Amino acid sequence: GAGVSQSPSNKVTEKGKDVELRCDPISGHTALYWYRQSLGQGLEFLIYFQGNSAPDKSGLPSDRFSAERTGGSVSTLTIQRTQQEDSAVYLCASSLALVRGRGEAFFGQGTRLTVV
Amino acid sequence: AQKITQTQPGMFVQEKEAVTLDCTYDTSDPSYGLFWYKQPSSGEMIFLIYQGSYDQQNATEGRYSLNFQKARKSANLVISASQLGDSAMYFCAMREGRAAGNKLTFGGGTRVLVKP
Repeated sequence: GAGVSQSPSNKVTEKGKDVELRCDPISGHTALYWYRQSLGQGLEFLIYFQGNSAPDKSGLPSDRFSAERTGGSVSTLTIQRTQQEDSAVYLCASSLALVRGRGEAFFGQGTRLTVV
Repeated sequence: AQKITQTQPGMFVQEKEAVTLDCTYDTSDPSYGLFWYKQPSSGEMIFLIYQGSYDQQNATEGRYSLNFQKARKSANLVISASQLGDSAMYFCAMREGRAAGNKLTFGGGTRVLVKP
């Protein structure tokens, strides 16, 4: 596809269950980001991947959160033992990694996670 | 300290008038990029405009312009001739360092409502 694709678009899960959120970045984009957005709030950085470099995990809120990126393309964000405070929209974005230039991030439509 | 600060949580603007959205940033890196994104109620994040720290001129993209005051570390977005479709959340973001894949840090956003 032409844009960043995220699945599922909506996910309702019971407290304590694990969930996996998927992101397909734009082809050729080596940088991939995960953000979390609570209702009416700004974007909270979670993790980003850049090529073969070690990911920047500095935004992950707890060790229940993890992410991987396979083959430099698709990424999966996993939340273990979900809590109600994990309810939010999870946004994925990708960008070109340019030495110069803007390299703007293109965002997916997000996954709305609701923990009941 | 906040990297990106947007002090206006919400504002009204009359259709066809101009509106300025404030953004101040904090970085010690001489190389950085500043971005503005629009998020309508549908939730998608739409890239609007980019300003590089070494750019000599203020960026413009159609009705959007960026009032870049480097010494004051501000990057205000100006929307001219507001339209009803401009009603949305607006986020300022910064990327530090030369590598375009470095993470984007977002401000808390400003909600704009355009009145007919």
